[in-house]
Amino acid sequence: AQKITQTQPGMFVQEKEAVTLDCTYDTSDPSYGLFWYKQPSSGEMIFLIYQGSYDQQNATEGRYSLNFQKARKSANLVISASQLGDSAMYFCAMREDTGRRALTFGSGTRLQVQP
Amino acid sequence: ETGVTQSPTHLIKTRGQQVTLRCSSQSGHNTVSWYQQALGQGPQFIFQYYREEENGRGNFPPRFSGLQFPNYSSELNVNALELDDSALYLCASSLTPGLSGANVLTFGAGSRLTVL
Repeated sequence: AQKITQTQPGMFVQEKEAVTLDCTYDTSDPSYGLFWYKQPSSGEMIFLIYQGSYDQQNATEGRYSLNFQKARKSANLVISASQLGDSAMYFCAMREDTGRRALTFGSGTRLQVQP
Repeated sequence: ETGVTQSPTHLIKTRGQQVTLRCSSQSGHNTVSWYQQALGQGPQFIFQYYREEENGRGNFPPRFSGLQFPNYSSELNVNALELDDSALYLCASSLTPGLSGANVLTFGAGSRLTVL
């Protein structure tokens, strides 16, 4: 059963605008962590932001923020003031505490920032 | 501080052959994980190594095996290659096995394997 769902295969955004990348997840574990990674064409996965299931506030890291809605089991990534260098694949991932060693990734969203 | 380095970056093998991929972890990291990323998909967990032992495994057959060395570097070995093994193999290191906001996976750029 798919545990991370990213329903947007591709997204376009104009430079300097904000964009939201959707992520929903499924788990019965009360304790879990949610991660977002960026994968440029070079291949390496770059960590962007983390949200723990017990965190009271939404995580923010510079231009990245995570819109965490626990009841809806969603963890959307918001990128503000998009830049051309933001063009990449974006992956949402989850770590469940029953298996803290591994991340389960979604299928990704390809973001293209247009000038 | 050096990041995660992987070699080779690209390689081509034929079905039935064996392949070894190598990974040097980030300085200070003692845990290495391997992921397989097929084209157009997200990475899938293969296994994790900690203290030179396998410390968790995903849904991959035994022909996928690994090693971790005393300097925390690691190898991924795949025997009896199949066409479906064609993928980007990502190595990631972390401070410890348990992942959190304070202990995230740091990935290398991957080894792209093509099986003909």
